[in-house]
Amino acid sequence: EPEVTQTPSHQVTQMGQEVILRCVPISNHLYFYWYRQILGQKVEFLVSFYNNEISEKSEIFDDQFSVERPDGSNFTLKIRSTKLEDSAMYFCASRENTEAFFGQGTRLTVV
Amino acid sequence: RKEVEQDPGPFNVPEGATVAFNCTYSNSASQSFFWYRQDCRKEPKLLMSVYSSGNEDGRFTAQLNRASQYISLLIRDSKLSDSATYLCVVFTISGYALNFGKGTSLLVTP
Repeated sequence: EPEVTQTPSHQVTQMGQEVILRCVPISNHLYFYWYRQILGQKVEFLVSFYNNEISEKSEIFDDQFSVERPDGSNFTLKIRSTKLEDSAMYFCASRENTEAFFGQGTRLTVV
Repeated sequence: RKEVEQDPGPFNVPEGATVAFNCTYSNSASQSFFWYRQDCRKEPKLLMSVYSSGNEDGRFTAQLNRASQYISLLIRDSKLSDSATYLCVVFTISGYALNFGKGTSLLVTP
């Protein structure tokens, strides 16, 4: 069964450093997403990407964040200067129709 | 008002019980609704879509009341493996993004 894959599964970084979280969406899907979930809290929408551009973003997705689809398969989330409060599980998702499939997540720990 | 609201629980029920979860959404123009399930420290997975006519999948029944902006999920004959957090999810008006409720925690005990 096709699946969304994310790497790494766990990333530890120092405050102020840049991180890039990587995702390979399901190949025929057209809509791509990043969500985050702080431990014990709700799944929060960050950004959606369609037709090679951002289609919608939340207020969380400020200038510190950017997304790219550098080739036909990868979808990345960059955080330029990480803060302690960026520590969370980051989920990538993709969809073709209405069902969104989520990757297993990258646990980001900022120290 | 939050866009998607759920009773956080936890709901502790014995095996075999019937349990119902409720969810309300704020935007009357919302078109698509879902229940996702999330196990501890795992990714959300689609449980079922919610249609205006209601839909059933085995022990699970989902219903939508557009007039009240209310979505429900009924689980009959609860199993231990049903223990998880159940997330109410609504598409944003743009149709691009999914908005999640905080989730309702269910623990099914022997």
